[in-house]
Amino acid sequence: DIQMTQSPSTLSASIGDRVTITCRASQSISSWLAWYQQRPGKAPNLLIYKASGLQSGVPSRFSGSGSGTEFTLTISGLQPDDCATYYCQQYDSYPYTFGQGTKLEIK
Amino acid sequence: QITLKESGPALVKPTQTLTLTCTFSGFSLNTGGVGVGWIRQPPGKALEWLALIYWDDDHRHSPSLDSRLTVTKDTSKNQVVLTMTNMGPVDTGTYYCVHQNIESSGPFDYWGLGTLVTVSS
Repeated sequence: DIQMTQSPSTLSASIGDRVTITCRASQSISSWLAWYQQRPGKAPNLLIYKASGLQSGVPSRFSGSGSGTEFTLTISGLQPDDCATYYCQQYDSYPYTFGQGTKLEIK
Repeated sequence: QITLKESGPALVKPTQTLTLTCTFSGFSLNTGGVGVGWIRQPPGKALEWLALIYWDDDHRHSPSLDSRLTVTKDTSKNQVVLTMTNMGPVDTGTYYCVHQNIESSGPFDYWGLGTLVTVSS
């Protein structure tokens, strides 16, 4: 199985900050990586697909980059609404696997 | 507009079999590239992929749960059914139904609201 490791596990930032979350895969997954946002008590919501594609309806302050084994999710200009847990997921090969999540708190 | 909705028991006893139904609309499981899957999340923990079934009846299961899982589809009813045998307390969590289209980059682009399943005697 491909292991996905996110860092940091928790992150505290202020409104307006630029925030970066990293996801590492245990082997190359090309660009087959997605990022999801999960607000408390809600279902996850797709933000980024194929490492850098912005899902329709997602604010442009979210961006993704990377390929191979190292990926990042960047939020430029943090908003109160961004308080959530963020997960990466590889869909290069079965079994699909998720990272352990990064909890983003607003200072 | 694509929607998915999970339904099933909120409480199951240890060793029982769980049956969850995903009823969807806005797409067809007869369309090439389309899949419907299941993901679960124990309380306070990370997401875990369980299974997928595709338009061509291809099935994919988590290897760690393979012997316990069955996924079937009824395209006439727009439903996918997940069956998990020998439930235990560690299987407690929220179960989500998801849509995937492998011909359009392939992430899980639509999710149901989820259904909480508690395993307890």
